[in-house]
Amino acid sequence: NIVMTQSPKSMSISVGDRVTMNCKASQNVYNNIAWYQQKPGQSPKLLIYYTSNRFNRVPDRFTGSGYGTDFTLTINSVQAEDAAFYYCQRIYISPLTFGSGTKLEIK
Amino acid sequence: EVQLVESGGGLVQPGRSLKLSCAASGFTFTDYAMAWVRQAPKKGLEWVATISYDGGRSYYRDSVNGRFTFSRDNAKSTLYLQMDSLRSEDTATYYCARFLDYYDGSPFAYWGQGTLVTVSS
Repeated sequence: NIVMTQSPKSMSISVGDRVTMNCKASQNVYNNIAWYQQKPGQSPKLLIYYTSNRFNRVPDRFTGSGYGTDFTLTINSVQAEDAAFYYCQRIYISPLTFGSGTKLEIK
Repeated sequence: EVQLVESGGGLVQPGRSLKLSCAASGFTFTDYAMAWVRQAPKKGLEWVATISYDGGRSYYRDSVNGRFTFSRDNAKSTLYLQMDSLRSEDTATYYCARFLDYYDGSPFAYWGQGTLVTVSS
């Protein structure tokens, strides 16, 4: 089975900064990656799918990129409300494996 | 508005059974495959099972295959997860989720609020 590895495990960023987090697949997954945001005590929310498509009403400061095995979620001008865990997921073919997550803290 | 409401969680002893439900509304239920995703306390997300739009096909992660049964009642727009031979490692919040579109490999676009299952003696 494909393993999804996220880095870093956590990061602390100031409001207004740009943040980049990574997701690496153990095999080629083409563009079949989604990103989710989960705030404390809440259910996950879909942010990005098929690498770079924003889901409904997701702010355009969230951008996804990559192909094959290496993928990136970028948040431009981070806001306080972006503090959360972010998970990547391999989609399209089961098992629909998630990465272990990146925790984003706001200073 | 898409709504998914899970119920049925609770405290159960190892080896016993529990049945979760998920009531869906706000979309044409029979158009979509559905899934269960779980999250152990302070841990990440883990796909558990998927069921086809008509209930004719279901598949599971290896660790629950043969112990969990995923079913749906399309007349009631409700999903069920029958969990047998529960183990401590099944302790988690269980979310039902709807796929983005008709394809059962698309991302999980909508999630319920989750129901907590605790397996402990």
